Amino acid sequence: DTGVSQDPRHKITKRGQNVTFRCDPISEHNRLYWYRQTLGQGPEFLTYFQNEAQLEKSRLLSDRFSAERPKGSFSTLEIQRTEQGDSAMYLCASSLLGASGKETQYFGPGTRLLVL
Amino acid sequence: AQSVTQLDSHVSVSEGTPVLLRCNYSSSYSPSLFWYVQHPNKGLQLLLKYTSAATLVKGINGFEAEFKKSETSFHLTKPSAHMSDAAEYFCVLSGTYKYIFGTGTRLKVLA
Repeated sequence: DTGVSQDPRHKITKRGQNVTFRCDPISEHNRLYWYRQTLGQGPEFLTYFQNEAQLEKSRLLSDRFSAERPKGSFSTLEIQRTEQGDSAMYLCASSLLGASGKETQYFGPGTRLLVL
Repeated sequence: AQSVTQLDSHVSVSEGTPVLLRCNYSSSYSPSLFWYVQHPNKGLQLLLKYTSAATLVKGINGFEAEFKKSETSFHLTKPSAHMSDAAEYFCVLSGTYKYIFGTGTRLKVLA
């Protein structure tokens, strides 16, 4: 199975520490998305890339958050100076934007972050 | 503005009885709509999608959904619930570049 993979699956950190998550998309997919999901809620959009270009960032993505997708392959999401409010599941998804302009996003298993 | 409303936060059914999870949407253009399922501590799995082809869409595990433009609805159904269907279900509208999620419906299946 060559679906979307995320690493690590779980991360526990202390407030103020930096954390970095990795997402490996489905290999031929040109779009990659990051979402955040808190307990009991649906996922909320954070940012997305088309190839290596970061095209949109949500207002949820404060200046402590940064995402990269070098060479248009895997992506990393870094959170600096973590706060307890950052505790959530971070989901990555990838898609292939076709000529029709339509796409279907496929999700990874997520990284669950707990900030103590 | 685009939005998705899932009308029930919790639904309980007995095993072997039909399932109905309700979703209404608002969109200024012809939408793409999806249903995803999320089992505890897992990622989201695509159940089915509507992208302006047939209005009755069949998905995996016996689920189907019907797109009704006049009612702006995209309800998810299954004729006979199985214990393994217990999970959180999300109705999703595809916006210009991002997904807009409903708040989710937790399905409980009683033995």
